[in-house]
Amino acid sequence: DGGITQSPKYLFRKEGQNVTLSCEQNLNHDAMYWYRQDPGQGLRLIYYSQIVNDFQKGDIAEGYSVSREKKESFPLTVTSAQKNPTAFYLCASGQGRNQPQHFGDGTRLSIL
Amino acid sequence: KQEVTQIPAALSVPEGENLVLNCSFTDSAIYNLQWFRQDPGKGLTSLLLIQSSQREQTSGRLNASLDKSSGRSTLYIAASQPGDSATYLCAARNDYKLSFGAGTTVTVRA
Repeated sequence: DGGITQSPKYLFRKEGQNVTLSCEQNLNHDAMYWYRQDPGQGLRLIYYSQIVNDFQKGDIAEGYSVSREKKESFPLTVTSAQKNPTAFYLCASGQGRNQPQHFGDGTRLSIL
Repeated sequence: KQEVTQIPAALSVPEGENLVLNCSFTDSAIYNLQWFRQDPGKGLTSLLLIQSSQREQTSGRLNASLDKSSGRSTLYIAASQPGDSATYLCAARNDYKLSFGAGTTVTVRA
């Protein structure tokens, strides 16, 4: 089935550690997105990529980094510079402005 | 900057009642508006997408309307069922970006 796969489902980070969240899609979409969701708040955009080898900062990019080396993959690294990383992270993909965005099942990141 | 608001934050209704969920946005220059459902601990499931040129969109028991000039969208769910219990989010699209509301959490009582 076509869809978006995020892994792992749960992730724990130690102080000073970088962690990487995986996002893979087989929908053949050009654009991919990373969002952060905190309790009681709407999703906020971290980074997005409209094409391979290109990506742009969203509203809350500080402390995060991404790469887009393949069309299917858009990993997110949460660096030690992100001081409040505990959140639910959602990856999405889409094709064109007039098509819906589709989401993965998310990764919940917590601090040890 | 686009601001999206959903009121109320939570709603509880008896089974069979029709649901009306509201979404307002500040910047009317949108490409489209998308409604999502989110179950606890899960990702978002797309329910309906309304293009800026459309007034409404329907899928089964769901109907969404869009009034771009007044910055409002409404999601109607007919004859609610306990399985409709979830958080419903709306998102307005400007260019590449979706701006989300905080959601309305719906509980349908059996």
